[in-house]
Amino acid sequence: AQSVAQPEDQVNVAEGNPLTVKCTYSVSGNPYLFWYVQYPNRGLQFLLKYITGDNLVKGSYGFEAEFNKSQTSFHLKKPSALVSDSALYFCAVRDPRSNTDKLIFGTGTRLQVFP
Amino acid sequence: GAVVSQHPSRVICKSGTSVKIECRSLDFQATTMFWYRQFPKQSLMLMATSNEGSKATYEQGVEKDKFLINHASLTLSTLTVTSAHPEDSSFYICSARDLGGAWSTDTQYFGPGTRLTVL
Repeated sequence: AQSVAQPEDQVNVAEGNPLTVKCTYSVSGNPYLFWYVQYPNRGLQFLLKYITGDNLVKGSYGFEAEFNKSQTSFHLKKPSALVSDSALYFCAVRDPRSNTDKLIFGTGTRLQVFP
Repeated sequence: GAVVSQHPSRVICKSGTSVKIECRSLDFQATTMFWYRQFPKQSLMLMATSNEGSKATYEQGVEKDKFLINHASLTLSTLTVTSAHPEDSSFYICSARDLGGAWSTDTQYFGPGTRLTVL
């Protein structure tokens, strides 16, 4: 079965430091992978995705993620965190071979950036 | 980028009444829209997949007679919570899948969500 794991409920980082939010997946074949961010009482905003091609994907607001097939991971990174990056981050996966468009979401990781 | 709107953003209703939530793709056409439910501090739970011009596909455990979905056009899907009860109080989020165009392919874009409170 398809699944996504975000092992950290919360990540704390000081402003200006690099940040990493972890995501691993379980999908046979070549998955489509996504990162979304959610601010309080708001919907999800698309950050970036991996479909094919270069393993390093650059997205909105300076975020990037690296697809690692051998480790089945798609960690979200940013070289220098901002206080305004504090939010809830969701990793999601879709199996392109499935006959549905469903996204499977991880449980979310709350990022807290301290000044 | 692709924009999805939801209306209303917040609704409070009495138990037993029905509430309709609209989801619109503002600058792209979406043959498929999705409805999610999110409980506090939890992930999104897919409720149903809404396909333009056909019946919605509901996830296991979701009552289709309680959560009525209509996708009458390529830019509008509605979710009606019928005979709402306090346990239906939640944050409801829709998304629309952009199949192509100027922004990207195969990406779901999410609405801002609707906070439903049933008294």
